[in-house]
Amino acid sequence: DAEITQSPRHKITETGRQVTLACHQTWNHNNMFWYRQDLGHGLRLIHYSYGVQDTNKGEVSDGYSVSRSNTEDLPLTLESAASSQTSVYFCASSETQTSYNEQFFGPGTRLTVL
Amino acid sequence: GDSVTQMEGPVTLSEEAFLTINCTYTATGYPSLFWYVQYPGEGLQLLLKATKADDKGSNKGFEATYRKETTSFHLEKGSVQVSDSAVYFCALRLQGAQKLVFGQGTRLTINP
Repeated sequence: DAEITQSPRHKITETGRQVTLACHQTWNHNNMFWYRQDLGHGLRLIHYSYGVQDTNKGEVSDGYSVSRSNTEDLPLTLESAASSQTSVYFCASSETQTSYNEQFFGPGTRLTVL
Repeated sequence: GDSVTQMEGPVTLSEEAFLTINCTYTATGYPSLFWYVQYPGEGLQLLLKATKADDKGSNKGFEATYRKETTSFHLEKGSVQVSDSAVYFCALRLQGAQKLVFGQGTRLTINP
């Protein structure tokens, strides 16, 4: 069955370190998204991609970067981790349709920055 | 800008009670509207959707009607179960766009 996976599921790191969170989907979807989930803020969009070599900034992109070298993967990199980036991170993917395009979510990565 | 506002949580109900979770939105044009559910320790799953005014989305006993005049998409269920305990997110997607705008989420706890 097609799926979307994230790794690691839990990560503890130190301030200033570079961290990369992996997202892999086997739906063959064009669109992929990274969100962070924080209490009181719901899900906020970090970066998104509509296809290979395409990346776009979301509402909370400072301190994060992504690259899309193939259809299946959209890794999220924290260039220099900060305590404010402690959060739960969700990856999602969707197909492009004009009227209805459900986003499928991964299980999440809980990141703690000490 | 485009935004979604949900009722403050947490919400605690007894089993078989009637549920309403309010959701209102601000958006240009005619967005599609969604309810997602997040069970403990899991990612979000689509619960129901509506793509135009007066559409009613329904799934697993939950319903929501797209009300353009009140810019609302309230989630309802007639008789909740303990298994409905989760966090519920209202979201919108603008016409022609692929990304979603989420509300802040409402945590629902159902006691037996």
